[in-house]
Amino acid sequence: GQQLNQSPQSMFIQEGEDVSMNCTSSSIFNTWLWYKQDPGEGPVLLIALYKAGELTSNGRLTAQFGITRKDSFLNISASIPSDVGIYFCAGGYQKVTFGIGTKLQVIP
Amino acid sequence: NAGVTQTPKFQVLKTGQSMTLQCAQDMNHEYMSWYRQDPGMGLRLIHYSVGAGITDQGEVPNGYNVSRSTTEDFPLRLLSAAPSQTSVYFCASEGITGELFFGEGSRLTVL
Repeated sequence: GQQLNQSPQSMFIQEGEDVSMNCTSSSIFNTWLWYKQDPGEGPVLLIALYKAGELTSNGRLTAQFGITRKDSFLNISASIPSDVGIYFCAGGYQKVTFGIGTKLQVIP
Repeated sequence: NAGVTQTPKFQVLKTGQSMTLQCAQDMNHEYMSWYRQDPGMGLRLIHYSVGAGITDQGEVPNGYNVSRSTTEDFPLRLLSAAPSQTSVYFCASEGITGELFFGEGSRLTVL
């Protein structure tokens, strides 16, 4: 089946730093999504991207849908302690494929 | 404002036992799905349904059965539990924009 390669798998950063994570695929996706999972909860959508080249922001979060439709990145600016969690990229509609996640830890 | 509700939240089974994980959504979404989450493997699709009466297999369907008799409910059945099915299970429904709404998860341990 389709696979998404998400990196890095984990990150330790200082509060206030910017963060970048990305996802690549061997297959083309028409939709890219970024989710965040807090401990003990289900993932929650952060940003959805529907068009190649699209750059979308949601507060301190910015995500882009790659031109080739095979990649996407997520940036978090000026990290804060509540940014801690696991971030997942996901591609597709209905049969959505997920990356393995990036575990983010913020050091106050 | 229930969204997607999963029960039970925690379950311990012995090898060979059967059980059903329940999932209900109140958003009138046609599409529903079940994922399992394991360390280092992300979320993997088990089964999905595009509407009442229609189900299909995802990436890791072996050992699991599903049915969809109503739009609201999408139960996941483990017929004969195995230790390899120890995992966290998430049910999700999908809105028209493609956003998946997840339940809080069901944590299953098979001894």
